[in-house]
Amino acid sequence: AQKVTQAQTEISVVEKEDVTLDCVYETRDTTYYLFWYKQPPSGELVFLIRRNSFDEQNEISGRYSWNFQKSTSSFNFTITASQVVDSAVYFCALDGSGNTGKLIFGQGTTLQVKP
Amino acid sequence: DVKVTQSSRYLVKRTGEKVFLECVQDMDHENMFWYRQDPGLGLRLIYFSYDVKMKEKGDIPEGYSVSREKKERFSLILESASTNQTSMYLCASRTSESSYEQYFGPGTRLTVT
Repeated sequence: AQKVTQAQTEISVVEKEDVTLDCVYETRDTTYYLFWYKQPPSGELVFLIRRNSFDEQNEISGRYSWNFQKSTSSFNFTITASQVVDSAVYFCALDGSGNTGKLIFGQGTTLQVKP
Repeated sequence: DVKVTQSSRYLVKRTGEKVFLECVQDMDHENMFWYRQDPGLGLRLIYFSYDVKMKEKGDIPEGYSVSREKKERFSLILESASTNQTSMYLCASRTSESSYEQYFGPGTRLTVT
């Protein structure tokens, strides 16, 4: 069975703090894709990153960075110097089973950044 | 920019009513998806469609059906709405090439009373 676990339900930080959102996944597929989405208060999910199972390089995009470790089945997301606009629900998702597009989502982590 | 639109942001229906949720995308995407979002459960896939007139069951299809008569439009149908179908419904689309990201609509918050 495939599964994505985001153990942190809610995180609250003060602006400019660094914060890491955890994501642990389970799959037996050797080829799979991992995603992070952001859902701001407006409700529409916004794509942040896609990573395939053969690429374990960490990625940095501005204040955002991602750490993909197959050995621990984790795909963690770090926001450096958080800002109030980062307040949102963040979802990690898995697309296994041969690129069907059938995403398995984690429960989501609500991040609140206080000024 | 990819645009996925949903017919209503908020909808209130009575138990037993037949409910139609409409989704339209403007990027000629082959694949379209319907999810429901509930607190603590994340998003769960209801149905998806790889192309026109094609449909596949997702993880929680019971109580729902879908229709895809045109490439740009994917409808979710609640045959007889029940209170446990009160939820946020999200539509998404993507191209069929590789594993490109899905683009999501703004969601429809459905309340069944």
